[in-house]
Amino acid sequence: EDQVTQSPEALRLQEGESSSLNCSYTVSGLRGLFWYRQDPGKGPEFLFTLYSAGEEKEKERLKATLTKKESFLHITAPKPEDSATYLCAVQPSNTGTASKLTFGTGTRLQVTL
Amino acid sequence: AAGVIQSPRHLIKEKRETATLKCYPIPRHDTVYWYQQGPGQDPQFLISFYEKMQSDKGSIPDRFSAQQFSDYHSELNMSSLELGDSALYFCASSDRTSTDTQYFGPGTRLTVL
Repeated sequence: EDQVTQSPEALRLQEGESSSLNCSYTVSGLRGLFWYRQDPGKGPEFLFTLYSAGEEKEKERLKATLTKKESFLHITAPKPEDSATYLCAVQPSNTGTASKLTFGTGTRLQVTL
Repeated sequence: AAGVIQSPRHLIKEKRETATLKCYPIPRHDTVYWYQQGPGQDPQFLISFYEKMQSDKGSIPDRFSAQQFSDYHSELNMSSLELGDSALYFCASSDRTSTDTQYFGPGTRLTVL
């Protein structure tokens, strides 16, 4: 069964204090690893898709990386508006169309002034 | 850019009542997914449809059913509602012929009293 574990559960940073969020996964063949941002009571907002080990993607202050066992979301010089829950999800390659995502429980990030 | 539309946004029902949630995917997206998110939990996959056919099935109770229509919108029908069904219900859509990234709607908050 696919499993996703995220750490830490919660993270409090000061504005400008860079850090990394971890996502460890086990899946029988990885089709894609996804990062989403979710604000309270709202739908997950797509950030990145990573398909193979060694791949990296960047968007503003965020950078996602992927190895064969884990992914990291690096946040550089965060701002208060980056405060949200960051969800990691995996999509297996051994299923047919419309494959489900298996999510981790997320990291709640709070960025203070 | 157009996003996934869900209606209603909020729904309050009594135990044993029925509810119907609607999802309108992003234009030209051919695949729809339904997820349930309880308080403080990660989204759990319920069911998916590709080209109007059921594709994958997760932990969806037998009391729930869903379908995708000819215009690609989808409906989740929930009967004999229980208190434990109170949750956020998200619909996501993807273009199977493209990146297959799942884009989420704003969700329907269902409260069962």
